[in-house]
Amino acid sequence: QKEVEQNSGPLSVPEGAIASLNCTYSDRGSQSFFWYRQYSGKSPELIMSIYSNGDKEDGRFTAQLNKASQYVSLLIRDSQPSDSATYLCAVEGGSNYKLTFGKGTLLTVNP
Amino acid sequence: DVKVTQSSRYLVKRTGEKVFLECVQDMDHENMFWYRQDPGLGLRLIYFSYDVKMKEKGDIPEGYSVSREKKERFSLILESASTNQTSMYLCASAEPGGRTDTQYFGPGTRLTVL
Repeated sequence: QKEVEQNSGPLSVPEGAIASLNCTYSDRGSQSFFWYRQYSGKSPELIMSIYSNGDKEDGRFTAQLNKASQYVSLLIRDSQPSDSATYLCAVEGGSNYKLTFGKGTLLTVNP
Repeated sequence: DVKVTQSSRYLVKRTGEKVFLECVQDMDHENMFWYRQDPGLGLRLIYFSYDVKMKEKGDIPEGYSVSREKKERFSLILESASTNQTSMYLCASAEPGGRTDTQYFGPGTRLTVL
């Protein structure tokens, strides 16, 4: 059974701070990694995808991947109250296009 | 923009009823998925389909079946609803191949089984 573990949270940061969300995965053959944001009562929406070791930046968001350590993280710079949501890490491995999701980390950004 | 729609946002059914949840996507995606989401358990895959009339079991298929007669439509069927199937059900679609396997989610159906 493939597993994806996220820091359990909840995580609370002040506005303007950096929020750091972490995820580890068990399947060493995993190839694709995603971060989804889910607002309360809404469905998940993709915010970042990463496929190669290293960093990938998109605006205030940076995804980091280390396949050797089986670790993927999401940094949110200059956190805003609108970033308050549950963040889901998802990992895809093999050729069947299935995603395994972590249980999510609830982030609260305090004004 | 990719659009995934689900037939109902809220549904209340009685134990033993047969329940149909429908999902439609407008992007000609080959892959479609059904998940349920429960507090503390996260998103769990029930079934997925990679082509018309093709389906594969996910992690928790017991008590569910699916139907995919047309590419754009993927239905989840609860043959005899039970109270432990009360949950948020989310449908997703994706275009497979290389780096384009992003899944897009519908708005979800909150099902309550009494």
